[in-house]
Amino acid sequence: KNEVEQSPQNLTAQEGEFITINCSYSVGISALHWLQQHPGGGIVSLFMLSSGKKKHGRLIATINIQEKHSSLHITASHPRDSAVYICAVMGTGGGADGLTFGKGTHLIIQP
Amino acid sequence: ETGVTQTPRHLVMGMTNKKSLKCEQHLGHNAMYWYKQSAKKPLELMFVYNFKEQTENNSVPSRFSPECPNSSHLFLHLHTLQPEDSALYLCASSQGAANTQYFGPGTRLTVL
Repeated sequence: KNEVEQSPQNLTAQEGEFITINCSYSVGISALHWLQQHPGGGIVSLFMLSSGKKKHGRLIATINIQEKHSSLHITASHPRDSAVYICAVMGTGGGADGLTFGKGTHLIIQP
Repeated sequence: ETGVTQTPRHLVMGMTNKKSLKCEQHLGHNAMYWYKQSAKKPLELMFVYNFKEQTENNSVPSRFSPECPNSSHLFLHLHTLQPEDSALYLCASSQGAANTQYFGPGTRLTVL
C-alpha cells in the first residue's frame, strides 16, 4: 500500500506570497493528482501528472518520478486560494485500485 | 463542477435505519467511485465500478452495499450503521479508471 505524505499540514501566508506544498509517496505510481477541497466538502481536480511539469493560471505542479516527490506551487496567492490541497496517487494497476490520498494541506491566505 | 450530483446533501439517521445515497454523473463516464472522508483522516476509497462491474471494495463492512444499475448512476445502500460511520461520502466518476476523476459535492452523513 502506498504511503502518501504531505507537508506542511497547515500553512498561513499573506496575500501575494509564493506558496509551495509538497507530496511524497513510497511506491511507484502511474499518475499523481492534486485536488482542491473548499469548506463544505466540494473537491475539484487541479492536475493529473505522470512526469515533468504542468501549469494552469497561477498554479504549477511538478513531479520527480525517481525521487517519488511532487510539489504544488501557487504564485501571487489570493484569499480565494484558501482551501485544503490534497495529493493523491494512482497505482500501476491501470486505475482499478482507485486513488490513495494524503491527509491534505490546509492553506489560509490572509488579505 | 455540476457534472456529478449527489443526493441527499445531508442525512441524519439512526443505527437501525436503512437509507440510500445516490450519485448521478452527466459526463458520459464509464467508471464511478465511492469515497469516505472522516474527520482528521485522509479520503478512503470504498468501491470502484468500471463499466458497471465492481473491481474494488477495499474490505468495506457489509453494512455498506453499493449498486450500479447503469454507467450514469451509483447508489450506496446503508443499513445498521454505527456512529463511527458518520463522515462525508463522496462520489466521483472518470472516463476510464486511469483518468482524471470528477467529484460530486458529497453527502454529509450523521449516524446517531
